[in-house]
Amino acid sequence: GENVEQHPSTLSVQEGDSAVIKCTYSDSASNYFPWYKQELGKGPQLIIDIRSNVGEKKDQRIAVTLNKTAKHFSLHITETQPEDSAVYFCAAKGWNQAGTALIFGKGTTLSVSS
Amino acid sequence: NAGVTQTPKFQVLKTGQSMTLQCAQDMNHEYMSWYRQDPGMGLRLIHYSVGAGITDQGEVPNGYNVSRSTTEDFPLRLLSAAPSQTSVYFCASSSTSTGEQFFGPGTRLTVL
Repeated sequence: GENVEQHPSTLSVQEGDSAVIKCTYSDSASNYFPWYKQELGKGPQLIIDIRSNVGEKKDQRIAVTLNKTAKHFSLHITETQPEDSAVYFCAAKGWNQAGTALIFGKGTTLSVSS
Repeated sequence: NAGVTQTPKFQVLKTGQSMTLQCAQDMNHEYMSWYRQDPGMGLRLIHYSVGAGITDQGEVPNGYNVSRSTTEDFPLRLLSAAPSQTSVYFCASSSTSTGEQFFGPGTRLTVL
């Protein structure tokens, strides 16, 4: 089955700096790669996603890149703000006999200090 | 739309007790799933369903049962709670067309 590795586990940046979180996946059949943000006491919320037919996707200060050959994808946050502080999870959509399931990385705790 | 709802928000059980965590969605999504979240372990898939009457196991299914009698509801049952099941449980749903997964607010379970 699918396995997703996420690095780093913690990341501290100054306000205005950029932050990059990287993930690798194992199943070459995976074709959907979302990123979730989880604030304290809440459920994860989708912030951006990318499909395997696209190499890069951008939404304002957030971008995701995908390298299918190397089986890794990354989240880029530019001009970070204190409200970006949260836990970020990457995921890959794997396939099995019955259907599909999202497999998550272990998460990155991002701290943005002002 | 209420989205994905979960009840209860908090629960304390004694070892050996049973209980059901409720999950409902009003978006007519085919896919529903249950995850548990533990410190340093991320979100681990317990069980999932691709539609009413169909369920399958995820990464950590032992000690949990599920059923899917309707599109809207996907309850998670703990038959005999153990301290190792202390965790935060999230239910999620998604449609086949987009794959975007929506999460509920979570249930914090403590087993003493």
